[in-house]
Amino acid sequence: QVQLVQSGAEVKKPGSAVKVSCQASGGTFNSYAVTWVRQAPGQGLEWMGGIIPIFGSTNYAQKFQGRVTITADESANTAYMELSSLSSEDTGVYYCVRDTRAGPELERIHLYSYYYMDVWGKGTTVTVSS
Amino acid sequence: QSVLTQPPSASGTPGQRVTISCSGRTSNIGSYYVYWYQQFPGTAPKLLIFRDNQRPSGVPDRFSGSKSGTSASLAISGLRSEDEADYYCATWDDSLSGRVFGGGTKLTVL
Repeated sequence: QVQLVQSGAEVKKPGSAVKVSCQASGGTFNSYAVTWVRQAPGQGLEWMGGIIPIFGSTNYAQKFQGRVTITADESANTAYMELSSLSSEDTGVYYCVRDTRAGPELERIHLYSYYYMDVWGKGTTVTVSS
Repeated sequence: QSVLTQPPSASGTPGQRVTISCSGRTSNIGSYYVYWYQQFPGTAPKLLIFRDNQRPSGVPDRFSGSKSGTSASLAISGLRSEDEADYYCATWDDSLSGRVFGGGTKLTVL
């Protein structure tokens, strides 16, 4: 069973950027997508965006457009999420998730909407404070 | 405010059956599969139900999902104290071109 190993906790200054990594241990991102989800303290889950590594295609939530960049290094089985122009409102836990295809239709595998969140990483705590 | 609407809380006694609703629109629940996630405090969410009503291996059959039109439900029968957790529904939304979550439901076992 694949495990997603995320990078360690970060403390950042307002205005700076953070880059979180997520490595698939015991598996790969081939045939899968990777999603990033944020959870602010005491709040619910918030979708940030995702990538289909074999196509390199990305989808971002409107809220984070222009501030978030999601990339993947297939050779290293690692995905990254970089968030810039940080503010205190970006404090929270950031989860990496491996997405599985919802069905066998090959003609749909390029569609990010065709995947669902399956295996979750343990999360990376990002604290933004001056 | 979340795109998908869930009750903020639900409760039941051991052995009871509890349902958690998730209400949406044609652009999301009405057009795409619904997924449910279970989250315990301080831990990552876990997939509970996929493709509206399918259980991943290892998820007890006490958990079931259903969908009708633009609403979905998660049912937990034979409620146990270890079911006390937060539950989230999720799907895709065509209008937003993105994934959407419900606000989450905190389940308390009395």
